[in-house]
Amino acid sequence: GAGVSQSPSNKVTEKGKDVELRCDPISGHTALYWYRQSLGQGLEFLIYFQGNSAPDKSGLPSDRFSAERTGGSVSTLTIQRTQQEDSAVYLCASSLRTARETQYFGPGTRLLVL
Amino acid sequence: GESVGLHLPTLSVQEGDNSIINCAYSNSASDYFIWYKQESGKGPQFIIDIRSNMDKRQGQRVTVLLNKTVKHLSLQIAATQPGDSAVYFCAENRGIQGAQKLVFGQGTRLTINP
Repeated sequence: GAGVSQSPSNKVTEKGKDVELRCDPISGHTALYWYRQSLGQGLEFLIYFQGNSAPDKSGLPSDRFSAERTGGSVSTLTIQRTQQEDSAVYLCASSLRTARETQYFGPGTRLLVL
Repeated sequence: GESVGLHLPTLSVQEGDNSIINCAYSNSASDYFIWYKQESGKGPQFIIDIRSNMDKRQGQRVTVLLNKTVKHLSLQIAATQPGDSAVYFCAENRGIQGAQKLVFGQGTRLTINP
């Protein structure tokens, strides 16, 4: 079946603009995760969804970052008033139920804030 | 602080040789470990996982070893091929009730020389 998909694949924006990043998880996966990967770095956890609820938002770096998930499927990560330090690859993953099962990653959205 | 880290940031091996990538973790409560492979411009790809009730697990050309005594994890790749060139990340789930995120190491870049 289809894997995790993300859109757009690349996004260039100006400082101060808002951006929305989309994630379509694997069908039937109830758990969804957002990570951020800065150049040459490991993955930094942002937020976890179980269904449409986000029980763990501990990784969101500031209140400019928010995310939602609707219908237990698609998720949107929104960054308001983007800053240059927000430039990174934003990765989405899904797993069947929990983080103690395999997380499957999408290809990521490469965000560049000028 | 607690971390999942790698001993070497880069590793070069000759095609056909075996490679070993190492990872150290500091949280003795961690009980689920995963290795991911990330090729340039792509999201992480699951390779193999291991739970703390095991010391060794084998896949196709890959073996993961877990030494809980010294909190060490390794990934062995047999008969390396050019397609094995990538960055390899270890990740852990710390087994905390309700904890649903993976903690990733910084990654090791593996280069296969022809």
